[in-house]
Amino acid sequence: DQQVKQNSPSLSVQEGRISILNCDYTNSMFDYFLWYKKYPAEGPTFLISISSIKDKNEDGRFTVFLNKSAKHLSLHIVPSQPGDSAVYFCASRTGANNLFFGTGTRLTVIP
Amino acid sequence: GAGVSQSPSNKVTEKGKDVELRCDPISGHTALYWYRQRLGQGLEFLIYFQGNSAPDKSGLPSDRFSAERTGESVSTLTIQRTQQEDSAVYLCASSFQPDRLGTQYFGPGTRLLVL
Repeated sequence: DQQVKQNSPSLSVQEGRISILNCDYTNSMFDYFLWYKKYPAEGPTFLISISSIKDKNEDGRFTVFLNKSAKHLSLHIVPSQPGDSAVYFCASRTGANNLFFGTGTRLTVIP
Repeated sequence: GAGVSQSPSNKVTEKGKDVELRCDPISGHTALYWYRQRLGQGLEFLIYFQGNSAPDKSGLPSDRFSAERTGESVSTLTIQRTQQEDSAVYLCASSFQPDRLGTQYFGPGTRLLVL
């Protein structure tokens, strides 16, 4: 039972353009949402997060949007850079301690 | 400072053998988590340790899987009588508790291949 879904396994974007990565969830009890970035042969690294009481959080080139009514989360990267090429995981939690992860979206930024 | 470290980085074993994976969390982090990622899938929670509390084992897929943690330091994940479906990357993460940001810091993982 996949509570967090990333339906796009891959995304290619031209350098300088916007990358939009999407995530859907089913559990309305999730209270915190996170994005992790993963390079090959490394563990995931925390990127940005948002509490369920907010609808937007911005950190430099990265912005996360939360639409609670649609149970939808998105990560915007603008402008996209070749170094952003990685697998991005969406994760959520209910206030318990373990995270529920999506299957990831592989972003390729084309120079 | 040092991040989460895991060993070995790669492990190839034969079906039926036992394996032991090690995790060294970030110093001072009281919470420790094990996840696994099978090919083409997302990260799957296995077990969670918090201080001296009883671990949350709700994610362990079978009784062949067990984990221990010494105080607030090293943890070992043991898989007995390995099966081919156990092949995955096993990831360890640690965090401060309480951590209202929910941020877990991951190690590089151990790639396990069961032949």
